[in-house]
Amino acid sequence: GAVVSQHPSWVICKSGTSVKIECRSLDFQATTMFWYRQFPKQSLMLMATSNEGSKATYEQGVEKDKFLINHASLTLSTLTVTSAHPEDSSFYICSEGSNTEAFFGQGTRLTVV
Amino acid sequence: QKEVEQNSGPLSVPEGAIASLNCTYSDRGSQSFFWYRQYSGKSPELIMSIYSNGDKEDGRFTAQLNKASQYVSLLIRDSQPSDSATYLCAVDTGRRALTFGSGTRLQVQP
Repeated sequence: GAVVSQHPSWVICKSGTSVKIECRSLDFQATTMFWYRQFPKQSLMLMATSNEGSKATYEQGVEKDKFLINHASLTLSTLTVTSAHPEDSSFYICSEGSNTEAFFGQGTRLTVV
Repeated sequence: QKEVEQNSGPLSVPEGAIASLNCTYSDRGSQSFFWYRQYSGKSPELIMSIYSNGDKEDGRFTAQLNKASQYVSLLIRDSQPSDSATYLCAVDTGRRALTFGSGTRLQVQP
């Protein structure tokens, strides 16, 4: 299966600061990557679709100016949580979208204090 | 109505028993169906995929799909304590991004 590497695995930041999460495809070129968010005891919810070389597509209710997605190369997509607040604390997970069977990154546990 | 529905559990089975996990979905056009296992604090891990009606077996796992009833299930034979986790049903409605159920927590009692 495809290998997707996500970094960092956890981060604690102060309220009002920004945090960048990286998602790398290690063994293939990913024109599309997906970003999900998972709150405690809830399921994964799609936040946005990251498209290489073009703007990301955001799901309804997800603020595009708050969650900045950059997919500048075929192997790297980044999600930046800007002006983070405690309610943004969650588990963020990326996956590649070029194959039918999605493989996920390791996830990033974000805690905003 | 949720797009993908699962019983949240917990489903408790004794070691060595068969665990049966169920999932229903609302989009009749869905073509691809997946079961993921998620341990607490970890990312989901793909267990099974199924695309056509019927059964698909892989080791101790069997996925069953009934598109007419919009129903997917996962059977785990000879359940082990290490199988204790949350099992997520996921459906690809054609977008390639997955729609997940809320997950069923499985507890295998030693």
